Amino acid sequence: GEDVEQSLFLSVREGDSSVINCTYTDSSSTYLYWYKQEPGAGLQLLTYIFSNMDMKQDQRLTVLLNKKDKHLSLRIADTQTGDSAIYFCAESKEYGGSQGNLIFGKGTKLSVKP
Amino acid sequence: DVKVTQSSRYLVKRTGEKVFLECVQDMDHENMFWYRQDPGLGLRLIYFSYDVKMKEKGDIPEGYSVSREKKERFSLILESASTNQTSMYLCASNSNPTGELFFGEGSRLTVL
Repeated sequence: GEDVEQSLFLSVREGDSSVINCTYTDSSSTYLYWYKQEPGAGLQLLTYIFSNMDMKQDQRLTVLLNKKDKHLSLRIADTQTGDSAIYFCAESKEYGGSQGNLIFGKGTKLSVKP
Repeated sequence: DVKVTQSSRYLVKRTGEKVFLECVQDMDHENMFWYRQDPGLGLRLIYFSYDVKMKEKGDIPEGYSVSREKKERFSLILESASTNQTSMYLCASNSNPTGELFFGEGSRLTVL
């Protein structure tokens, strides 16, 4: 089956690094994504990585991709209280001939303590 | 500023009522999607459309239908709402080939 798995909760202290992990199943996925959902809002794309890359850095965010193990991680450096949100991992999926569909994990709720 | 707009943020309906959820995007995207989001279940795909008048079933289409008469608009219809359809509904759109999805703010539906 197709499953994107991630842990449901993570709690860190302000200023620490957060690492959110994700495993996926479809090795043919072209892109892998991290989305952020703040309370009461829709999802916003944080970052994405092309499947032929193993790392992408964007300011405080670092994405690591281990294609062999189908493992994706998101590291947030110097975590702030404003980073408290639900983070969704997603893989691109061909669905009905379109490459546009994404398969989402259940989301990891990140709580940042002051 | 690119946008996906959902017509209602909050709705309360009674069992058996017909419900329309509207979604409009201004990015000329080919693909549009309807998801529902429930605690502990993440996002589940209901229906999607990759062109005007085209629709494809997602993972949980039962009890729902959709309409895409214009490229920018994708409607989700609950013909006869039931209490188990109480949920947050998220519309999204994208354009091949990057697959990056742009989401609306969500519509929280409560069926009494």
